[in-house]
Amino acid sequence: DAGVTQSPTHLIKTRGQHVTLRCSPISGHKSVSWYQQVLGQGPQFIFQYYEKEERGRGNFPDRFSARQFPNYSSELNVNALLLGDSALYLCASSFSFSRTGFLEKTEAFFGQGTRLTVV
Amino acid sequence: QKEVEQDPGPLSVPEGAIVSLNCTYSNSAFQYFMWYRQYSRKGPELLMYTYSSGNKEDGRFTAQVDKSSKYISLFIRDSQPSDSATYLCAMSPTSGNTPLVFGKGTRLSVIA
Repeated sequence: DAGVTQSPTHLIKTRGQHVTLRCSPISGHKSVSWYQQVLGQGPQFIFQYYEKEERGRGNFPDRFSARQFPNYSSELNVNALLLGDSALYLCASSFSFSRTGFLEKTEAFFGQGTRLTVV
Repeated sequence: QKEVEQDPGPLSVPEGAIVSLNCTYSNSAFQYFMWYRQYSRKGPELLMYTYSSGNKEDGRFTAQVDKSSKYISLFIRDSQPSDSATYLCAMSPTSGNTPLVFGKGTRLSVIA
């Protein structure tokens, strides 16, 4: 089974630009969460989506937005980029269900991340 | 005071040593505790997932949770150079519907 896939892997943007990051969760997982990890720190929660609905939002400005699609993939959008937005953006996939609809696992599995550099 | 405290290290040990990594936390609502391993410029990899207090063992790894002291540990036996990475503790009040709160991570180097 493929793990969590994120694209692109690296990105360089200029201040003021907009960026879209993409995530495909593990097959069968219905929840996607986004985290920001700056160098030397642990990941910080940005958003969680479950069944295409926003279930949680971290302490990030409105420049950050996200959505989840019917196939459970997700996009994270950041507008008006600032130098401080430079970080590793991580997508986590969780909530796997059996074929009969029973919740099997709730552990979060991370993708390799998108490294965003704002210059 | 941060919700989760973790000594960032760096921690350097010889190959074969027993490694002890620790986190303390302040939120008594945390029930689920995880350890992730992160290699440089990669995403975190889930190592251990435990619920409430107690011990859990998986191969060379043992996770301990002491909720009365708000203290969790990860022990690595017979450490290998391939264990060199940053280890992140994470926790949450519920199994999946709330975000994970991470420590800063401890950078570990295992010297051959």
